[in-house]
Amino acid sequence: QKEVEQDPGPLSVPEGAIVSLNCTYSNSAFQYFMWYRQYSRKGPELLMYTYSSGNKEDGRFTAQVDKSSKYISLFIRDSQPSDSATYLCAMSNIQGAQKLVFGQGTRLTINP
Amino acid sequence: SQTIHQWPATLVQPVGSPLSLECTVEGTSNPNLYWYRQAAGRGLQLLFYSVGIGQISSEVPQNLSASRPQDRQFILSSKKLLLSDSGFYLCAWSGDGFSYEQYFGPGTRLTVT
Repeated sequence: QKEVEQDPGPLSVPEGAIVSLNCTYSNSAFQYFMWYRQYSRKGPELLMYTYSSGNKEDGRFTAQVDKSSKYISLFIRDSQPSDSATYLCAMSNIQGAQKLVFGQGTRLTINP
Repeated sequence: SQTIHQWPATLVQPVGSPLSLECTVEGTSNPNLYWYRQAAGRGLQLLFYSVGIGQISSEVPQNLSASRPQDRQFILSSKKLLLSDSGFYLCAWSGDGFSYEQYFGPGTRLTVT
């Protein structure tokens, strides 16, 4: 079993829709949770990060962490064609070096 | 502001040839540095990380090695490339201390023929 599971998609939705991206994990020691956006043939770009459980909002993006269920989500409201990319979740515990464990990534397409 | 550079952007190399990929970071000091490989349609696999000059930790046994000759320079090398070394190589940095966010460079696409 992988430490982090993420549905690879692809996911295709119409412009303006609400998008929900999810990851599950097995390591209860994970404390930091991040979402990256990666456009084709580019390096990942950090979108949001959260510590422990709860919600965090930044513009059209909301990150949720449910540590009791070992489940994290990224919601995108009013989705735009420019949101079309691969979204990667990543997480880390607070022990030792600052190593991240990544999900496989979900490929998202927003159709105009 | 901090900037991370990688070069070359694209590389095509024959099997058995050597490899050297370079990563440099500007605008910060004492960064933690990381090398990842991303196979097509897959997540990121951590290859090496470094918390200081000359300090390298390897995550997976492989045909590659890494070096950190200067504080903000990280090099990925191989003496003899294999077909399986093809992929998208990404360098990342994070601040020392308690910042866990990592910031990635633009990547190098390596094709071994």
